[in-house]
Amino acid sequence: EVQLVQSGTEVKKPGESLRISCKTSGYYFTNYWISWVRQMPGRGLEWMGRIDPSDSYADYSPSFQGHVTLSVDRSLNTAYLQWASLKAADSAVYYCAKAYGYEDFFDQWGQGTLVTVSS
Amino acid sequence: DIQMTQSPSSLSASLGDRVTITCRASQGIRNSLAWYQQKPGKAPNLLLSSKSGLESGVPSRFSGSGSGTDHTLTISSLQPEDFATYYCQQYDTTPYTFGQGTKLEIK
Repeated sequence: EVQLVQSGTEVKKPGESLRISCKTSGYYFTNYWISWVRQMPGRGLEWMGRIDPSDSYADYSPSFQGHVTLSVDRSLNTAYLQWASLKAADSAVYYCAKAYGYEDFFDQWGQGTLVTVSS
Repeated sequence: DIQMTQSPSSLSASLGDRVTITCRASQGIRNSLAWYQQKPGKAPNLLLSSKSGLESGVPSRFSGSGSGTDHTLTISSLQPEDFATYYCQQYDTTPYTFGQGTKLEIK
């Protein structure tokens, strides 16, 4: 069974750093891109970027480029989303999602990680 | 970026109704479109894609159609578990983009 299990809720202060994780199982991790999707409170879905776990090549949305970093640990079958300096506007639920295959829509999603940034 | 415009943004319907949600892309997306259902507090769930069809386990009352820039999701006979928010997504060109969502509510 394919599973994407994300790390738990985070409460941080502006300016702090953060890394959240997405641990995968049940499939060959390096065969499928992982994307990250943001959902701000009461809002829709925003694609942030994707990473190829086979070589760590990452492709970012211009809206998020330079503010977040995607990475993977192939030994742990885990993908990461990190911020060097959080802002209040980063408060949202973040989802990781596995690509279907050669087509980059998302057939499996993590359960979401709620990030709250507040002073 | 390719803009995805969904309509309507909200919809009230009754059990057994047939409903259609439309998604229009700002430019051609070569049939690279997927539909998701999201319930409150849950992750989105893939329903279907234009290229690969209905996802395994999704009821056959869900169907998709369209070409070029205009695509539709149809639910043939609404069931209680279908009341949720629906999103389209284009995956032709990065940055991938979603429609703003259609909230389907019980009349």
